[in-house]
Amino acid sequence: EPEVTQTPSHQVTQMGQEVILRCVPISNHLYFYWYRQILGQKVEFLVSFYNNEISEKSEIFDDQFSVERPDGSNFTLKIRSTKLEDSAMYFCASGTPGQWSLGYTFGSGTRLTVV
Amino acid sequence: AQKVTQAQTEISVVEKEDVTLDCVYETRDTTYYLFWYKQPPSGELVFLIRRNSFDEQNEISGRYSWNFQKSTSSFNFTITASQVVDSAVYFCALSSGSARQLTFGSGTQLTVLP
Repeated sequence: EPEVTQTPSHQVTQMGQEVILRCVPISNHLYFYWYRQILGQKVEFLVSFYNNEISEKSEIFDDQFSVERPDGSNFTLKIRSTKLEDSAMYFCASGTPGQWSLGYTFGSGTRLTVV
Repeated sequence: AQKVTQAQTEISVVEKEDVTLDCVYETRDTTYYLFWYKQPPSGELVFLIRRNSFDEQNEISGRYSWNFQKSTSSFNFTITASQVVDSAVYFCALSSGSARQLTFGSGTQLTVLP
């Protein structure tokens, strides 16, 4: 069964450092998403990406965040200058028209710890 | 604005009991989709079901069943004869709009005791 792959599974970084979280969505999917889950809290939408551009973003997705699909397979989330409150699980997801009945496929997440 | 409310923060049952997880949603869209996801202790999000706003048929899949009622904006999830492996956080979510992003509820932690 096709999977969404996220790397790394865990990342520890110092406050103020830049981090890049990587995702390989399912190859024939057209919509890509990043979500965030602070420990013990609900999953929150960050950004959606379609046709090589951001289609929607939440209030959380400020200028410190950016997304990119650099090579047609990877989908990255960059946090420019990490803060302690960026510590969370970050999930990548993908989906495509005609397959919404199958739901969105989520990756297994990257746990980011900012120290 | 969209909102999903899961009023039950934690539920604890004994194995083989039936349990219902409640979900109430708010949206102004006439076309929308409702989802349930399971998050086991390992942390991944596992898709369980998707319903669209035009299909109010209840659905049963093994021990799982879902009751969608537009009149009360609810999409409740019942596990019959619960098992210890059902212990997880369960999230209800709503999707609408062109980008179809998900709005999640706060989740219900289900603990099934042996």
